[in-house]
Amino acid sequence: QSVLTQPPSVSAAPGQNVTMSCSGSSSNIAKNYVSWYQQLPGTAPKLLIYDNNNRPSGIPDRFSGSKSGTSATLGITGLQTGDEADYYCGTWDTSLGARVFGGGTKLTVL
Amino acid sequence: EVQLVESGGGVVRPGGSLRLSCAVYGFTFVDYAMSWVRQGPGKGLEWVSGIDWNGGSRRYADSVKGRFTISRDNAKNSLYLQMNTLRAEDTALYYCARVGRYDLFYYMDVWGKGTTVTVSS
Repeated sequence: QSVLTQPPSVSAAPGQNVTMSCSGSSSNIAKNYVSWYQQLPGTAPKLLIYDNNNRPSGIPDRFSGSKSGTSATLGITGLQTGDEADYYCGTWDTSLGARVFGGGTKLTVL
Repeated sequence: EVQLVESGGGVVRPGGSLRLSCAVYGFTFVDYAMSWVRQGPGKGLEWVSGIDWNGGSRRYADSVKGRFTISRDNAKNSLYLQMNTLRAEDTALYYCARVGRYDLFYYMDVWGKGTTVTVSS
């Protein structure tokens, strides 16, 4: 059971937009920055969003992040087949004194 | 080029020990905190441990506390994870990851390809 809760899967057609949620609590998301990671099949995770809504260089602006209270959201616009991957949210949990991840959301681009 | 290269994985019996290493290239190691993250077969990401830039702060997931020890050698640009009293549930691909800043609390911006640990009798 992950500390952060993500839906197991989302799907959408190419060209459409999708959002995926990450739900936490007052000891993690509410107090600390959220980051998002993309894991393509068979590869290491890659940082997509850091500090709630910032993109590292090289990440297209089709990817966006937001945070409100104890939840965070990753948005992807103009879906491409290459976006099919597992997406994980992460943050620091102040009570646990540990980094925590969500269980991951599998994105299928139909 | 910024790169993290893990090594030291293998097959070990329950109760055994392994030491993972992570060699870093292409950036000033001492400027960053570092973490180990693992992924069991078919499972999600699990943060294992983190260490700040000079080793003054070390944190562990409850699942490994008391069994695993993280350390770093800034002179050798290397990160380590000593794993003792290994259990079947420690079987996973272990990633070395750079934390985006000198302190532990932040995102992981560079990841290695991982090294596989299998605990089996």
